[in-house]
Amino acid sequence: DAKTTQPPSMDCAEGRAANLPCNHSTISGNEYVYWYRQIHSQGPQYIIHGLKNNETNEMASLIITEDRKSSTLILPHATLRDTAVYYCIVRAYSSGSARQLTFGSGTQLTVLP
Amino acid sequence: DSGVTQTPKHLITATGQRVTLRCSPRSGDLSVYWYQQSLDQGLQFLIQYYNGEERAKGNILERFSAQQFPDLHSELNLSSLELGDSALYFCASSVEAGVQTDTQYFGPGTRLTVL
Repeated sequence: DAKTTQPPSMDCAEGRAANLPCNHSTISGNEYVYWYRQIHSQGPQYIIHGLKNNETNEMASLIITEDRKSSTLILPHATLRDTAVYYCIVRAYSSGSARQLTFGSGTQLTVLP
Repeated sequence: DSGVTQTPKHLITATGQRVTLRCSPRSGDLSVYWYQQSLDQGLQFLIQYYNGEERAKGNILERFSAQQFPDLHSELNLSSLELGDSALYFCASSVEAGVQTDTQYFGPGTRLTVL
């Protein structure tokens, strides 16, 4: 799976959009971009994933650049409960192979009141 | 609530002992994954089971073993415990290995403290 690079920390004001970047310059055509978050030692929580099109769900939006070398997770109206470590994970699809997630260091997002 | 349950929530034991952590996957999920999160190592994949069979191994020590039962629940057995085994242990489940967008859902974890 391709390696990802994320800033170690970011702050965001409550009520504003939080934009979390991720670089994955070595991503290949069959690799998906997944985002998870972990709130203070709780189990990682799935947020969203995508291949090449932008995706949106009730939690967030995922914007993937046209060359797929980077992506941005957008939390449209951050709340204090969004304070967490956010992990960007690139994961290949390969039939019958192991499907584990490889977590990096992630971005510590702190939402400020 | 992800639908994945793990017991116990906390476990305190002594060096040299053996413990068993239990995971019940979401209804319908066939794959179970175990991950370890320690302070200095981050989240690391240990082992995966799919429908009762071992599918993949990660950085799992020989003192650790796992199995998945016919009802699809899984147990992670840790033996000859050392201080360094103190960590959070997470279980995750997904519908099926090999599915293109196979999302893993994590349980709340078991916090193991070895004294």
